[in-house]
Amino acid sequence: EPEVTQTPSHQVTQMGQEVILRCVPISNHLYFYWYRQILGQKVEFLVSFYNNEISEKSEIFDDQFSVERPDGSNFTLKIRSTKLEDSAMYFCASSEPGATNEKLFFGSGTQLSVL
Amino acid sequence: GEDVEQSLFLSVREGDSSVINCTYTDSSSTYLYWYKQEPGAGLQLLTYIFSNMDMKQDQRLTVLLNKKDKHLSLRIADTQTGDSAIYFCAESRSPGGGNKLTFGTGTQLKVEL
Repeated sequence: EPEVTQTPSHQVTQMGQEVILRCVPISNHLYFYWYRQILGQKVEFLVSFYNNEISEKSEIFDDQFSVERPDGSNFTLKIRSTKLEDSAMYFCASSEPGATNEKLFFGSGTQLSVL
Repeated sequence: GEDVEQSLFLSVREGDSSVINCTYTDSSSTYLYWYKQEPGAGLQLLTYIFSNMDMKQDQRLTVLLNKKDKHLSLRIADTQTGDSAIYFCAESRSPGGGNKLTFGTGTQLKVEL
């Protein structure tokens, strides 16, 4: 069964450093998403991406965050200058638009720890 | 804004039924979902229900939706130890143009022998 894959599974970084989280969505999907889950809190929407541009973003997704689809398979989330409060599990998801119900399929997540 | 709430913990004996409850505030929700998260794993879509339905059954899973009370439940029949996980309720309002989900806090289900 096709799945969303994310790398790395764990990322440790120093505060102020840039990180790039990588995702390979399901190949025929056209919508891509990033969500995050801070320990003990809800899973929160960050951003959705379609047709090479952001379609919606949350208040969390400020200028420190950016997304990119650098080639036909990868979808990345970049945090330019990480803060302690960016420590969280980051989930990538993808969906196939135009279906009656656009089910989101999630990856296993990248656990980001900012020290 | 939208809000989705769940109880944090549920403990059941193996073989019993589990019922996980969820309430939401957005009356314009179109789809409601149940996701399962096992330790160290991602969010696995279990089942979903369209807002104009009141029940959906899928093998051991039964979803009940009370749209008037904005209450959603997931019943797992004959609960097994492999069902131990965190279960997230989620709602969406925007199918057909990207699907932004609002998640609940998650319910930790513990299945005891």
